[in-house]
Amino acid sequence: AQSVAQPEDQVNVAEGNPLTVKCTYSVSGNPYLFWYVQYPNRGLQFLLKYITGDNLVKGSYGFEAEFNKSQTSFHLKKPSALVSDSALYFCAVRDNDNAGNMLTFGGGTRLMVKP
Amino acid sequence: GAVVSQHPSRVICKSGTSVKIECRSLDFQATTMFWYRQFPKKSLMLMATSNEGSKATYEQGVEKDKFLINHASLTLSTLTVTSAHPEDSSFYICSASEVVAYNSPLHFGNGTRLTVT
Repeated sequence: AQSVAQPEDQVNVAEGNPLTVKCTYSVSGNPYLFWYVQYPNRGLQFLLKYITGDNLVKGSYGFEAEFNKSQTSFHLKKPSALVSDSALYFCAVRDNDNAGNMLTFGGGTRLMVKP
Repeated sequence: GAVVSQHPSRVICKSGTSVKIECRSLDFQATTMFWYRQFPKKSLMLMATSNEGSKATYEQGVEKDKFLINHASLTLSTLTVTSAHPEDSSFYICSASEVVAYNSPLHFGNGTRLTVT
């Protein structure tokens, strides 16, 4: 069974500082990893994904994530946080050996960026 | 980019009535759509996988007779909450992907806030 853990319910960052939102995963095969962002009362928006290739993946709005196979992690990062980045962030994994198309989501991390 | 439209965005209904939520892929065909439920301060819970032209696959613990899913075309899936009760109040989100490929991201609707009084 595949699973995703986001150990922090909330991350607080001052505007302009770097931010990291943590994610670890567990799959039996090779993982496809995704980050999504959710603004209040909205659906999820796709930020970035890791499929194969470079471990550092760049996505929307200046976000990036680093795939670390040995640590089974896929932490989301941004060099300089904006107040508008405040939202709920979800990490998700799909096992590439999975016959279905199912994503498993982490519990979500609320990012609060203060001016 | 791919757009998924979900309607309505908010609905308030009385206990015992039924509510239908629509999920449309606007510029792509979606053989498979997914319905999620999100509780306050909680992650997304996959309710069911909706397959065009066939019966939906429900996750364990989800009542298929209560949450009716119909996927009549490649661009439309509907979720009907039958005989709604206050405990059904939640945020429901649909999603779809352009192709059934493991590396394609899902595109999400904006969600429907259901309040049952």
